[in-house]
Amino acid sequence: GQNIDQPTEMTATEGAIVQINCTYQTSGFNGLFWYQQHAGEAPTFLSYNVLDGLEEKGRFSSFLSRSKGYSYLLLKELQMKDSASYLCAVKDFGNEKLTFGTGTRLTIIP
Amino acid sequence: SQTIHQWPATLVQPVGSPLSLECTVEGTSNPNLYWYRQAAGRGLQLLFYSVGIGQISSEVPQNLSASRPQDRQFILSSKKLLLSDSGFYLCASDRISYTFGSGTRLTVV
Repeated sequence: GQNIDQPTEMTATEGAIVQINCTYQTSGFNGLFWYQQHAGEAPTFLSYNVLDGLEEKGRFSSFLSRSKGYSYLLLKELQMKDSASYLCAVKDFGNEKLTFGTGTRLTIIP
Repeated sequence: SQTIHQWPATLVQPVGSPLSLECTVEGTSNPNLYWYRQAAGRGLQLLFYSVGIGQISSEVPQNLSASRPQDRQFILSSKKLLLSDSGFYLCASDRISYTFGSGTRLTVV
């Protein structure tokens, strides 16, 4: 089975930087995903990490440490439209299913 | 690129009525398909997944069933809805990366 933990809520200021952490426990790690979900909408894919290190994509970056069972999503130059829930999800070896954390609701304030 | 179509977008159904939600995939073949449910304020829970036509795996015991009559079609059904079946239902495909449909918000009254 899998255990995925991330903070329930965070608040950050427009223009600033925020880091959303995710820790996981799994029997056979095969990749970690980050998704963004605006209220009432479906999740949209942000990033995928399978090897240790940082993946950068514009204002968003995602980091993975497999030995620590830890990932973070870094959002820079925050905009009001970044207010959303951010979901961490893990895939196990041997199957293609994704197990999701409960998500972090991020609120951006002016 | 793959596209996932889900309908309807919203649905209000009385307790005890049947349910059929449809998901179709374009732009790929032989995808793995998934049904997730998201209750209000909670995380995504995997309900069913399918690796091919007629192949369905259930993740949690429940009042729902799933079928895959064609390669790119995945259907979620119930014979009699319960109040606890209310939620946001999402179909997903993982041919390259996990892609979600736009979802169906089901309210059972």
